[in-house]
Amino acid sequence: DGGITQSPKYLFRKEGQNVTLSCEQNLNHDAMYWYRQDPGQGLRLIYYSQIVNDFQKGDIAEGYSVSREKKESFPLTVTSAQKNPTAFYLCASRISVEGLNTEAFFGQGTRLTVV
Amino acid sequence: GNSVTQMEGPVTLSEEAFLTINCTYTATGYPSLFWYVQYPGEGLQLLLKATKADDKGSNKGFEATYRKETTSFHLEKGSVQVSDSAVYFCALSRAQGGSEKLVFGKGTKLTVNP
Repeated sequence: DGGITQSPKYLFRKEGQNVTLSCEQNLNHDAMYWYRQDPGQGLRLIYYSQIVNDFQKGDIAEGYSVSREKKESFPLTVTSAQKNPTAFYLCASRISVEGLNTEAFFGQGTRLTVV
Repeated sequence: GNSVTQMEGPVTLSEEAFLTINCTYTATGYPSLFWYVQYPGEGLQLLLKATKADDKGSNKGFEATYRKETTSFHLEKGSVQVSDSAVYFCALSRAQGGSEKLVFGKGTKLTVNP
């Protein structure tokens, strides 16, 4: 079955440590996205990538980094510079066709807790 | 810039009640509009969509009509069930400057009691 897989589902990190969240898709989508979800704040865009080896900052990129070495994969690293990393992180992908506003498909999310 | 405003929750209804969740948007041109649903501890699932004015999206008894004159895309269901309890997000997609981004509302939590 095609879809987006995020791992792990739950992640605990000590303060001062970097941690990487995995996102893999087999939908052959060009565009991939990372969102952060906090209670009462909806979804906020961290980074997005329209094509392999290229990515752009979203609205809250500070303290995060990404890479897009393969079409299928878009890992997110939460660095120690991120002040409040505890949140629910969602990865999404979509077909990218010029002039067509397509829907996004989401993974099941990773809940990161800093202890 | 593009934005989405949806009614704040939480919304609590009894089973079989009528549901409306309001959503209005600001965007240039002709965006596509979406409703997503999120069940506890899960990612978002597409509920329905509309790609042009006067289109009606529908799925699982939910409906929403793309109203360009009022820039609205309100979600409705005639008779809710306990299993509809979830958070609902209105979103728009509009290509700008060579890139496409989805813009989400803040979400509306719906609780349906038996």
